[in-house]
Amino acid sequence: DVKVTQSSRYLVKRTGEKVFLECVQDMDHENMFWYRQDPGLGLRLIYFSYDVKMKEKGDIPEGYSVSREKKERFSLILESASTNQTSMYLCASSLYPWDGSSYEQYFGPGTRLTVT
Amino acid sequence: GESVGLHLPTLSVQEGDNSIINCAYSNSASDYFIWYKQESGKGPQFIIDIRSNMDKRQGQRVTVLLNKTVKHLSLQIAATQPGDSAVYFCAETITTSGTYKYIFGTGTRLKVLA
Repeated sequence: DVKVTQSSRYLVKRTGEKVFLECVQDMDHENMFWYRQDPGLGLRLIYFSYDVKMKEKGDIPEGYSVSREKKERFSLILESASTNQTSMYLCASSLYPWDGSSYEQYFGPGTRLTVT
Repeated sequence: GESVGLHLPTLSVQEGDNSIINCAYSNSASDYFIWYKQESGKGPQFIIDIRSNMDKRQGQRVTVLLNKTVKHLSLQIAATQPGDSAVYFCAETITTSGTYKYIFGTGTRLKVLA
């Protein structure tokens, strides 16, 4: 069974703290993604990675960085957390559809981060 | 996807009726579309997909329709059940330089009334 796990379901941090969100997938997927989800705004892409040590900025990368040292693990880092980064963070992974197969992304359960 | 503000559009449907959830997408170059379902406290889950060279695809109790002329996607759920209550997102796929990314719509909340 396909599995994407995230290190925490709920997290409370103070303004200015460095925050690490971890994501692990067990499907040997090339692609991994970090989104944030806010009411009425849907899912917005922060960063994605299509290979180990590779990363690409998404639509809202400001204030975030990522790390992918191993294929199965993709970390999202908030260098100095701010209150406007309070959100639900979702990690996803997928194969690259080289052979015209599905673009389906598999999502983790999410981490609800509150920055006070 | 464009923002529709802080309030999620809601569709209320009587149990057993059919549901139609609509989505407008933004990029005429998008070549692949997916519908996701997100239940409370969970990550989005794949429902059905469709490629741009098709205009209709059917799954179990679900049908996706694609109208490229007006850049519109719809999800039809037959005989809606209480377990269908969730937020539904469409996503368009843009392929660039050997990889791809989604652009998600803002979502529609489906409420199934008993």
